Amino acid sequence: QLQLQESGPGLVKPSETLSLTCAVSGGSINGSTYYWGWIRQPPGKGLEWIGLIYYTGSTYYSSSLKSRVTISLDPSKIHFSLQLSSVTAADTAVYFCARHVVVAAAAVDYWGQGTLVTVSS
Amino acid sequence: SYDLTQPPSLSVSPGQTANIACSGDKLGDKYVSWYQQTPGQSPVLVIYQDGNRPSGIPERFSGSNSANTATLTISGAQAVDEADYYCQTWDTGTVIFGGGTKLTVL
Repeated sequence: QLQLQESGPGLVKPSETLSLTCAVSGGSINGSTYYWGWIRQPPGKGLEWIGLIYYTGSTYYSSSLKSRVTISLDPSKIHFSLQLSSVTAADTAVYFCARHVVVAAAAVDYWGQGTLVTVSS
Repeated sequence: SYDLTQPPSLSVSPGQTANIACSGDKLGDKYVSWYQQTPGQSPVLVIYQDGNRPSGIPERFSGSNSANTATLTISGAQAVDEADYYCQTWDTGTVIFGGGTKLTVL
């Protein structure tokens, strides 16, 4: 059974960089069937897609966040990471890592439990 | 950019059929997925590729997609189905979510 687990600081100061890691267990990142991505949800609001990465290292990012986002794969391919720079209070959200099925229009079949990141001084 | 529009809320009585709509330009030409999210939990995939149910999802959940509208149907809605529901598709390298529909079963 695949498991995804987010980790990283729960509090980030404005203008700094938010960094999160998603550990993948019970499966492998290395394969053409899936994308690996990040989705966030501000408190009381809907889901917002951030971006995703393919096992080759190719990335796709939300146009609204593209200038601030980097998603990367660990060379061992047992985890992938998110960096979001120049954060503001508007970036406060629960951040989920996710596995997207390539042939199913990137349907998310596995989600992490989510981690709350608060941007505040 | 491509947008998906959902009604903010829908209310049905127990045992009734809930139809949750998701609209977008020529949406019928794309695959649509649906997610259920209860408070404090991660979303759960309930429908993928318009009408396929993942293992473990009850048969009362079904989906369709044609023209500009995709629909999630919950036949015989139960109190446990009360949740937020999100549609999702993929367009030119972008994952798009609808704004979500809060389903009340009361």
